[in-house]
Amino acid sequence: RKEVEQDPGPFNVPEGATVAFNCTYSNSASQSFFWYRQDCRKEPKLLMSVYSSGNEDGRFTAQLNRASQYISLLIRDSKLSDSATYLCVVNLWNQGGKLIFGQGTELSVKP
Amino acid sequence: DADVTQTPRNRITKTGKRIMLECSQTKGHDRMYWYRQDPGLGLRLIYYSFDVKDINKGEISDGYSVSRQAQAKFSLSLESAIPNQTALYFCATSATANYGYTFGSGTRLTVV
Repeated sequence: RKEVEQDPGPFNVPEGATVAFNCTYSNSASQSFFWYRQDCRKEPKLLMSVYSSGNEDGRFTAQLNRASQYISLLIRDSKLSDSATYLCVVNLWNQGGKLIFGQGTELSVKP
Repeated sequence: DADVTQTPRNRITKTGKRIMLECSQTKGHDRMYWYRQDPGLGLRLIYYSFDVKDINKGEISDGYSVSRQAQAKFSLSLESAIPNQTALYFCATSATANYGYTFGSGTRLTVV
């Protein structure tokens, strides 16, 4: 079983749609969680951290359920510029803080 | 200038050649990492270093070696390149164990 698993893609949605990405992780020692965004053939960039109480940044909302080892990202009012691959990432504090990346879910927002 | 700089950006090399990928950072971070990315496999950790005297193997270190020449520099070597090492390679840095990473722009390596 992969340590971090994400919804298979791609997600093709119209502008203005709401889209949700799901992610599960297997290592209960995971302590920090992130969503990264990666544009085609470019480096991943931190989109947002994920906190236990849930957190929001504009149109983006992240949720964490530690009991279920589940993370989600909700994007409201999708824009063309949101088209990218979204990576779910967990931080293993008991292994010196290594980040483990999911395979990513590709999002394509169409006019 | 970028916080994390990788050189070269693109490289084509022949099977059996030795090649070095270089990474330098201006963020003052102690922790540095090398990942490779392949389609469908995501990012996989090759080596990581928590300070100049600390080098650790990641999940796919076979066929690779690294050198941490200074806090700011971490290089990855392929001693004898093979075609299945064709991939996109990323260097990353972080400040502490619970922070996210800052990535370099990547090196696209093709082994023919």
